[in-house]
Amino acid sequence: DAGITQSPRHKVTETGTPVTLRCHQTENHRYMYWYRQDPGHGLRLIHYSYGVKDTDKGEVSDGYSVSRSKTEDFLLTLESATSSQTSVYFCATTGTQGGELFFGEGSRLTVL
Amino acid sequence: GQQLNQSPQSMFIQEGEDVSMNCTSSSIFNTWLWYKQDPGEGPVLLIALYKAGELTSNGRLTAQFGITRKDSFLNISASIPSDVGIYFCAGQGVSGTASKLTFGTGTRLQVTL
Repeated sequence: DAGITQSPRHKVTETGTPVTLRCHQTENHRYMYWYRQDPGHGLRLIHYSYGVKDTDKGEVSDGYSVSRSKTEDFLLTLESATSSQTSVYFCATTGTQGGELFFGEGSRLTVL
Repeated sequence: GQQLNQSPQSMFIQEGEDVSMNCTSSSIFNTWLWYKQDPGEGPVLLIALYKAGELTSNGRLTAQFGITRKDSFLNISASIPSDVGIYFCAGQGVSGTASKLTFGTGTRLQVTL
């Protein structure tokens, strides 16, 4: 296990409120990723980071922002949550550029 | 973006049976990976394949990287109840970074005793 902790694990919020999800890893992995998982869509990449303060957009980045001020933490922020952002969010890390990812346990977000 | 077609979408099998599932793409991949997700958990890597034609085993699991580089197959032999879960394939594009990883929509495996 890569020692990946996501918080909160469950959250219910209302449309228009800001939400921040946190991913914390203890493996000193360089690369960190945020995915969302929705029925029929598999896992889709939101944003990723290849180092402290180095981030880039993924396939479904609209409405999301990220920050990485320390190697171990990668934050995903929804500035103004919408119902379409109801999903299960997974953080993943890897020490290489490859696809061998270690995933966290997920954060289930419901936007009412 | 790239599309991965994973089939079957779901399957019921009896304990002890062998299972086969596959993933096909419209694009060439350099790496194929297979993950398993248990209920309420994140995906866990089962097998990684790096070369066309490669056949790799992990216990009762065997996966193959298709010769055309556009498909991959996963076989589970002698299924047991703990094989229940969702199996995802993932293909990594030519650029070779996980940011270019495309996931299939999953095969849900359910085992009946």
